[in-house]
Amino acid sequence: DIQMTQSPSTLSAFVGDRVTITCRASQSIGSWLAWYQQKPGKAPKLLIYKASTLENGVQSRFSGSGSGTEFTLTISSLQPDDFATYHCQQYNTDSHTFGQGTKLEIK
Amino acid sequence: EVQLVESGGDLVQPGGSLRLSCAASGFTFSTYWMSWVRQAPGKGLEWVANIRQDGSEKYYVDSVKGRFTISRDNAKNSLYLQMNSLRAEDTAVYYCARSLRGFPGYYYFDYWGQGALVTVSS
Repeated sequence: DIQMTQSPSTLSAFVGDRVTITCRASQSIGSWLAWYQQKPGKAPKLLIYKASTLENGVQSRFSGSGSGTEFTLTISSLQPDDFATYHCQQYNTDSHTFGQGTKLEIK
Repeated sequence: EVQLVESGGDLVQPGGSLRLSCAASGFTFSTYWMSWVRQAPGKGLEWVANIRQDGSEKYYVDSVKGRFTISRDNAKNSLYLQMNSLRAEDTAVYYCARSLRGFPGYYYFDYWGQGALVTVSS
C-alpha cells in the first residue's frame, strides 16, 4: 500500500504569513492527489484535486503543486478562517490513502 | 445544495452489529459513486468502502473485508454501511462522501456528511 506522509505535523503561523505543507508518497502517484481542510468537529472540505486544481468556490490564496512523490499545499496569506487541519489523499491506487494531517495553529 | 446526512451511529459491544445510513439530496444520487470514510478519535482519515452508481461494484479496505457491507438504494437516495463483528478499532466517526473519479479509476471526495459516531466498547 502507498503511504502518505505529511510534514510538519503541526505548524504555528501568524495571520498574513505564507505557509507551505508538504505531502510525500511512498511511491509515485502521478498527479492524483487531493487536499482537504477540516475544522474541529466538522467534515473535511475539498480544496484541491489533481494536485493543483482548485475546487470551485475555494479562495485563490490556496494553491497546490507537485507530482510523482512530493506535493505541497501553499496558503499565500493566512486568514483567521484558515486555522484548521489539512489532509492530503492519494487516489492513484485502491487504498485511497490519506496523510496523517497537519494542524495549522495561530501563533 | 448538496447535502449528505448520516444516521445510525451508536455505542455497541465488541462483536456486535450496526447499520449506518446516509441520506443524500441536492444532486442526482444515482449518477455518482459513493464512499464511506472514517476517522478514529484524534487520528487521520481512512477510506473504508465505495460503491458504483448501480451497486454492481463494491470495494473495501482490507481491515473491514468480510465484516462490512456497503449498499445503496437509488430510489431512496440513500447509502448504507452494514457493520458486523465490530471491534474496538472500528471506533470512529464515519462519513459518507460523494466520490469523483480520477483517471486511473480511483476516487477523491467532493462532498461529505457531518459524520456518525460509532463507539465499540463493552
